[in-house]
Amino acid sequence: DAGVTQSPTHLIKTRGQHVTLRCSPISGHKSVSWYQQVLGQGPQFIFQYYEKEERGRGNFPDRFSARQFPNYSSELNVNALLLGDSALYLCASSSTGISSNYGYTFGSGTRLTVV
Amino acid sequence: GEDVEQSLFLSVREGDSSVINCTYTDSSSTYLYWYKQEPGAGLQLLTYIFSNMDMKQDQRLTVLLNKKDKHLSLRIADTQTGDSAIYFCADSWGTGNQFYFGTGTSLTVIP
Repeated sequence: DAGVTQSPTHLIKTRGQHVTLRCSPISGHKSVSWYQQVLGQGPQFIFQYYEKEERGRGNFPDRFSARQFPNYSSELNVNALLLGDSALYLCASSSTGISSNYGYTFGSGTRLTVV
Repeated sequence: GEDVEQSLFLSVREGDSSVINCTYTDSSSTYLYWYKQEPGAGLQLLTYIFSNMDMKQDQRLTVLLNKKDKHLSLRIADTQTGDSAIYFCADSWGTGNQFYFGTGTSLTVIP
């Protein structure tokens, strides 16, 4: 069974551009969350979706948006890119929308570089 | 918001035990987790502990939880070179399943 898949794996964008990152959760998982991991730091929570509804939003500007599709896959969109948006973006899926002993299963991430 | 702190670096000799510590501030957490991140990879769930437990053992891994002091630790017995990685503790918070991660502890195992 495939794990959490993210695309693309690497991306280089110019300041001011827009980017879309994609995530496919583990089959049967209905919750998808997005995290930003800046080099040398722990992941920071951006969004959580469960059953296509937003369940939580972290402390990120409105330039960041996301959605979840009927097949539970998800997109993270970032507008007007800044140099500080350069990071590893991690997608995680879970079977539930609440804290559980299963935690999250993470994808390998999309490495975004803004130049 | 929640604050999760870890020491940044730990170096041990192969075969010794490693102890990675974490402190957190939110006392309402239901589960606390330990994740491992190898270079260039995502995060791998190692183990978890339910908040009403003091200790959990899982093969070479032992998790200790002191709720009074809001302190969590991960002990790795017989540490191997393959254990070299960054270890994150994570505290689940909020109405959903939102995690606060610590800053990560980089474990180096010396052969």
